[in-house]
Amino acid sequence: AQTVTQSQPEMSVQEAETVTLSCTYDTSESDYYLFWYKQPPSRQMILVIRQEAYKQQNATENRFSVNFQKAAKSFSLKISDSQLGDAAMYFCAYRSWGVAAGNKLTFGGGTRVLVKP
Amino acid sequence: EAQVTQNPRYLITVTGKKLTVTCSQNMNHEYMSWYRQDPGLGLRQIYYSMNVEVTDKGDVPEGYKVSRKEKRNFPLILESPSPNQTSLYFCASSPGQVGSYGYTFGSGTRLTVV
Repeated sequence: AQTVTQSQPEMSVQEAETVTLSCTYDTSESDYYLFWYKQPPSRQMILVIRQEAYKQQNATENRFSVNFQKAAKSFSLKISDSQLGDAAMYFCAYRSWGVAAGNKLTFGGGTRVLVKP
Repeated sequence: EAQVTQNPRYLITVTGKKLTVTCSQNMNHEYMSWYRQDPGLGLRQIYYSMNVEVTDKGDVPEGYKVSRKEKRNFPLILESPSPNQTSLYFCASSPGQVGSYGYTFGSGTRLTVV
């Protein structure tokens, strides 16, 4: 079974600065998907960014980018030019490639991001 | 608007009193799933459904039931709730075919069992 680990329970960043959230995962599969979700105080789960494991190029979405290291099984999220609205819980998630896996998302424990004005 | 609708948003109940949390999606998604969120553990899958009348257990199914009689609805049933089922629950849906789809999540149900 796959596992996802987020080793930083909480991170603090100054507004306009950059913060990097760590995520490592354990899998024996070669094809899979990785995601970062944001959960603000409203509790809504918002997809921030996704990465297909077969793609070597790191995904980017505006101020959000990832550093995907397949061999190291690492998938970190970088938030640039942090804004007050970025304050939230962030979850890293893994999804297997095949339909037989049931489309399950396996989540890490989460990292809370605090943004200081 | 494409969405997953969960109700209720908050629920306080007593041990042993059966309850149902409803979930409905308007995107014609084949796949639906229930997760529970607990501090430090992230979200864990309870049950999932690949299509109508097709359901299966996730990682933490004990104490829960589900049904999928219609494509759009996927209710979560707690026959005899216990305090260890106090948690934040999410329903989610996605297209059935394989792809880098994220999930569309409902807004969550905060359940407290006393």
